[in-house]
Formats: sequence, structure tokens, C-alpha cells
Amino acid sequence: KAGVTQTPRYLIKTRGQQVTLSCSPISGHRSVSWYQQTPGQGLQFLFEYFSETQRNKGNFPGRFSGRQFSNSRSEMNVSTLELGDSALYLCASSFGTGVGQPQHFGDGTRLSIL
Amino acid sequence: GQQVMQIPQYQHVQEGEDFTTYCNSSTTLSNIQWYKQRPGGHPVFLIQLVKSGEVKKQKRLTFQFGEAKKNSSLHITATQTTDVGTYFCAVLDNYGQNFVFGPGTRLSVLP
Repeated sequence: KAGVTQTPRYLIKTRGQQVTLSCSPISGHRSVSWYQQTPGQGLQFLFEYFSETQRNKGNFPGRFSGRQFSNSRSEMNVSTLELGDSALYLCASSFGTGVGQPQHFGDGTRLSIL
Repeated sequence: GQQVMQIPQYQHVQEGEDFTTYCNSSTTLSNIQWYKQRPGGHPVFLIQLVKSGEVKKQKRLTFQFGEAKKNSSLHITATQTTDVGTYFCAVLDNYGQNFVFGPGTRLSVLP
């Protein structure tokens, strides 16, 4: 069974640009969550999608948005990039949603803002 | 919001020594999950604890959930170089919706 696939693996952008990251969950998994990982703030929850609906959102500005498609694939968009957006963006999928669902992470997209 | 602490932040051990990391919350937890992230890798789910006082073992790893369900520990017996990485605990937020990850304990194992 293929794992969670994130593309691209690396991305370099400049301030003010926008970026779209993609995540393909494990087959059969309907929940996709996104996290931002930085050395200073650790792993921070961005949002979760389940059956094409955003269920939950973390404490991030509106520049961060996402969506999920009918095949459960998800995209995350960041507009008007800032230097502080440099981070590893991780996608995690789970079979369902709610208490007790182990999350399966992808390798992440490392975003660098110049 | 829900906050969870982990201690220590870093731990350096000699191969063969034991290692323990602790995860502490100020509120009662419904469950707790543990993940391991190797350098340059992504977090990998290790285990979930649900019951008060629960103890689970995976080979050299022993996981424990406190009686009050406010803390948990991960103990590794006789560490190996393959144990190197950062160990995170994850708990549900106050609304029971999303997982909040602890800051992690970074383990280094000297051969």
C-alpha cells in the first residue's frame, strides 16, 4: 500500500508570491490534515479535511487555505508569502476522523522563502 | 488552548543505556499518541494509549499512561543507534477535535 505522497519535496519562493502544495493520502483514507513544522514552533496544526469539507482549522492567518477533492487528495495554498512561512509542511492522512485515529505522515514539502 | 509539555528537550545517551521521555498535561486527557521522527524524516505513529494506568510494550519500548490521565512516559531499554530521533507525544485539543503535538524530546545515541 503506497504511503502518503506530498509534492513537491522542495520549493523556493520569494516574499509576496503564492504557493500550492499537494498531498495524496493513503488509499481509503478520507481525512487529511496539514501541519507546519519549524524548529522554533514545532509541529503546528493548520487544518483538517474530511470528505471535501474543512472540519477544523488551526490558529493561522487567512493566507493559509486548503481544499480536498472527491478522491481525498488535498491541496494547501499559501498566498502573499512571508519569510516566516519557511518551514516543513507535513500532510497526514487517517482512515476516519476523531478520537484515536493514527495519523500517517508524508515526507513533507520543505518551503524556503527568500 | 491545550498545551502539552515534554521533558527533557534533549537527551544524549551512550548506546546500551536506558532512556525515558515524559509528556505532561495540565488537563485530563482522553488519549495520547506517541510518534517518532528520525532526522530528515517524517513523524511515524508508534502507539496510542487510552486507559488510565495503561502500559504497552513494543520490543524495547514501554509506554505508560498515568493514573490521572495527565501524563505519559516512553521508556527505551538498552538504546541502539536506530533509536535516534525526536519523540513526540500528541493529545487532542480542548475540543477533542485536533491533535496538539508536544515540543518533542530529541534523542542522540552515542555508539
